[in-house]
Amino acid sequence: DAGVTQSPTHLIKTRGQQVTLRCSPKSGHDTVSWYQQALGQGPQFIFQYYEEEERQRGNFPDRFSGHQFPNYSSELNVNALLLGDSALYLCASRTGLTAQETQYFGPGTRLLVL
Amino acid sequence: GNSVTQMEGPVTLSEEAFLTINCTYTATGYPSLFWYVQYPGEGLQLLLKATKADDKGSNKGFEATYRKETTSFHLEKGSVQVSDSAVYFCALISNRDDKIIFGKGTRLHILP
Repeated sequence: DAGVTQSPTHLIKTRGQQVTLRCSPKSGHDTVSWYQQALGQGPQFIFQYYEEEERQRGNFPDRFSGHQFPNYSSELNVNALLLGDSALYLCASRTGLTAQETQYFGPGTRLLVL
Repeated sequence: GNSVTQMEGPVTLSEEAFLTINCTYTATGYPSLFWYVQYPGEGLQLLLKATKADDKGSNKGFEATYRKETTSFHLEKGSVQVSDSAVYFCALISNRDDKIIFGKGTRLHILP
C-alpha cells in the first residue's frame, strides 16, 4: 500500500518564477492538506482540499493556490516566488472531513528560491 | 488563537537515559493532541495521539498523557536509543477547524 507521495523531491527556482508541486494521497484517502515548513520551524497550514474544493485556508497570500483532481491527487501552485518561499512543502492526506482522523504525511518537496 | 509551545532543543542524551520533552497548548474547545516525529531526510510520522482529557497515547516506548488541567502533553520515554534521534513536534487539532497546529519542534540527539 503506497503512502503519500510527492514530486519533485527537490526544486530550485529564481525569484518571480512560478512553481507547481504535486501530491498523491495514500490509497483510500480523499482529503489533502498542504503545509509549509521553513527551516527550523514547525509546519504551517496552507490549505485543505476535499471533493475538488478548497475547504479551509491558512494565513497565506493568494500567490499560493491549489487544485484537487477527481482521483484525489493535488497540486500546490506558488506564483511570483519570493526568497521567503524557500521551505519544505508537505502534503498530508486522510479520509473524509472528520478532523480526528489521522493524517499521513508525504516526504515533502524542498523548494529553494534564489 | 490556538497554539503549541514545546521546549527548545537541541536535547542531547546518552543512550538508555530517560527522556522528557515538554509541550503545552492553548486552544478553544476540546482539541486532539499529537506527537509527530521527523527523521533526517524524511517526512512527518505520527508517533502517538490522544483525543480527550486523561487519555494516554503510546507507541514505540514513548508515552504522553493529555492533561487538561495543566494544558500539557509531555512526551516521555524510559530508555532512549540512538535510533530515536530525530525532531519531535507536538501538535493539536481543534474540534472547530481541521488544520494541525504544530510547535516549533525539538531536535533530539542520542549519543551511544
